[in-house]
Amino acid sequence: NAGVTQTPKFRVLKTGQSMTLLCAQDMNHEYMYWYRQDPGMGLRLIHYSVGEGTTAKGEVPDGYNVSRLKKQNFLLGLESAAPSQTSVYFCASSEEITADTQYFGPGTRLTVL
Amino acid sequence: AQSVAQPEDQVNVAEGNPLTVKCTYSVSGNPYLFWYVQYPNRGLQFLLKYITGDNLVKGSYGFEAEFNKSQTSFHLKKPSALVSDSALYFCAVRGPKLVFGAGTILRVKS
Repeated sequence: NAGVTQTPKFRVLKTGQSMTLLCAQDMNHEYMYWYRQDPGMGLRLIHYSVGEGTTAKGEVPDGYNVSRLKKQNFLLGLESAAPSQTSVYFCASSEEITADTQYFGPGTRLTVL
Repeated sequence: AQSVAQPEDQVNVAEGNPLTVKCTYSVSGNPYLFWYVQYPNRGLQFLLKYITGDNLVKGSYGFEAEFNKSQTSFHLKKPSALVSDSALYFCAVRGPKLVFGAGTILRVKS
């Protein structure tokens, strides 16, 4: 039982490049989330999904797109990377959305030059 | 909209002493409150949560938190700190999405 995994662990992009971050969970959770973590700002929700085939915007969605084609996977895409997107990205999942615990992946450290 | 405040950027404690990491919240309706811990270069790990019931919640690694509705606080506590408790601690409130505080660095010195 690996829990929540993220690939890649590190990535360096040039401004304007695109990339996709992959999140996978093996706990059969319905709900999945993408956060970014910046110093002094805690975690901010980018997008989330309440089930296969669904996505919704979080607090800071601009510049990102997501897809949930399979229940176990949640992809985060950057179409045209900007230096402001330099951050650590965390994926999480939970069984339900209100009172349930979220389980986090190890994170992806992205640098945009 | 809900919000969380962690008023201390850093808390320093000597090993063996009690520790408190403060958190206050603002939310409409019943609060669902969480504490998470993050060790260096790792993802967040769940410590404990308050949903309803007893105001003193016990969690992982000997941590507990006290819910105080009148003061809208949910402070994290441990009776005797360990050096291995040194980490970044986040308070979070759900309503409807999970909103995190900025985090508090806990340093426990031997």
